[in-house]
This record gives sequence, C-alpha cells and structure tokens, in this order.
Amino acid sequence: QVQLQESGPGLVKPSGTLSLICDVSGGSISSDNWWNWVRQSPAKGLEWIGEIYHRGNTNYNPSLESRVTISLDKSKSQFSLKLNSVTAADTAVYYCARDFCSGGSCYGIDFWGQGILVTVSS
Amino acid sequence: DIQVTQSPSSLSASVGDRVTITCRTSQSISRYLNWYQQKPGKAPKLLIYTASSFQGGVPARFSGSGSGTEFTLTITSLQPEDFATYYCQQSYTTPRTFGQGTKLEIK
Repeated sequence: QVQLQESGPGLVKPSGTLSLICDVSGGSISSDNWWNWVRQSPAKGLEWIGEIYHRGNTNYNPSLESRVTISLDKSKSQFSLKLNSVTAADTAVYYCARDFCSGGSCYGIDFWGQGILVTVSS
Repeated sequence: DIQVTQSPSSLSASVGDRVTITCRTSQSISRYLNWYQQKPGKAPKLLIYTASSFQGGVPARFSGSGSGTEFTLTITSLQPEDFATYYCQQSYTTPRTFGQGTKLEIK
C-alpha cells in the first residue's frame, strides 16, 4: 500500500517561498506513475499544481507555471514543491498524490497524502 | 485548459434514494474522466476511473458512465456513509482539471 506524507511550514510570509516535501513509502517512486501536487481552497476548489515523473519530466499548471518548481529525489523517495512569490490567494490545503499511469495513459489519482494546510500571512 | 463543469453543486437526498451527478467537459476527453469522494477533513478518494471502472473496494451501488464530453456518476440506494462531496476530474491531458464539486446532503 503506497503512503504519502507531506511536510513543511504551515505559515509562509507574503512574497516568500512555499516549500513542501512529500515522502513516498510502500511503493517505488521510480514506478510508471506521475507524482502530483494538488491544492484545495474554498475559493478555487481542487486545483492541480503539477506533476513529475521519476525521470525528471515535469508538467505544470499554466496558471502557476511561472512560480512553481517540482523536483524529485529518488535516493530519499521524496518529491518536493516550491512555490515562490506567494500571496494570500495561495493559502490552501496542499496534497501530494500519485497519478496511476500505465502504458502512457493515466487513470486517476489513487493515493493521496493527508494534506497540509499552508497559510500565507505576515 | 479543458473546462470541467459539474452539476448540481449541491443535492439533498434521503437514505435509499438514487442520485445522479453530471460532468461536462469543454472538449472531448474520450473516457478519461474520474470520480472522487471527499469527506470533511480528508483527502479525496478515487471511486471510478476512465468513466466506468471501479477502484478497488468501491461498493457496487456506485456506477459511472459516459464518453466524449458528458459523464454521469450514479449512486443507487444511498447509504449514510455516502453523504459527502463528489468531484470529477479529467485525466485526458494536462493541466488536469476538476469539477467544482457536488455536495450530497441528507434530506
């Protein structure tokens, strides 16, 4: 059973950088899946931030692309999110998750972390 | 981006009822539409993928159908544990996009 766990600061100052790490256990981060970040806020609902493949390929939401970096550390079985120049609009629950993929197609996010609330405030 | 429009935004029903939630996409996505259930304070849970395939452990009272741009999630004989918020999501292309959610409440 794959498990994901987010960690990082729960409070970030405006104009600062939001940094989160996701620990993956119970499965290989080098499997044929994409590793995602998704956030949820009352204003925007569920919003897909982006994803990374174990070979380092990334895809980002164009609405956030200029501020987002997702990276992966296979040796630690972790992937991470950095979102810079944050504002109050970035306050949300952030989830790391696995998008189950096979043969070049993806079939939904089958494993999620528990979520971490990140508040942007001075 | 592919827009996903989900309806209704809320729904009031009783235990034992049959309910249907609809998602429409702004362009054809074949059958790459997934359904999630979310309860307060929890992460979403995948129920159905590629329009009609069951994720493991999902009760048979849940079913999905559709292709192209119109999809439905049907729950027959509602149980107390089914009252939650439901989301659809397209996995045809990136950026992945979600519907706005349907909150299913007890009447």
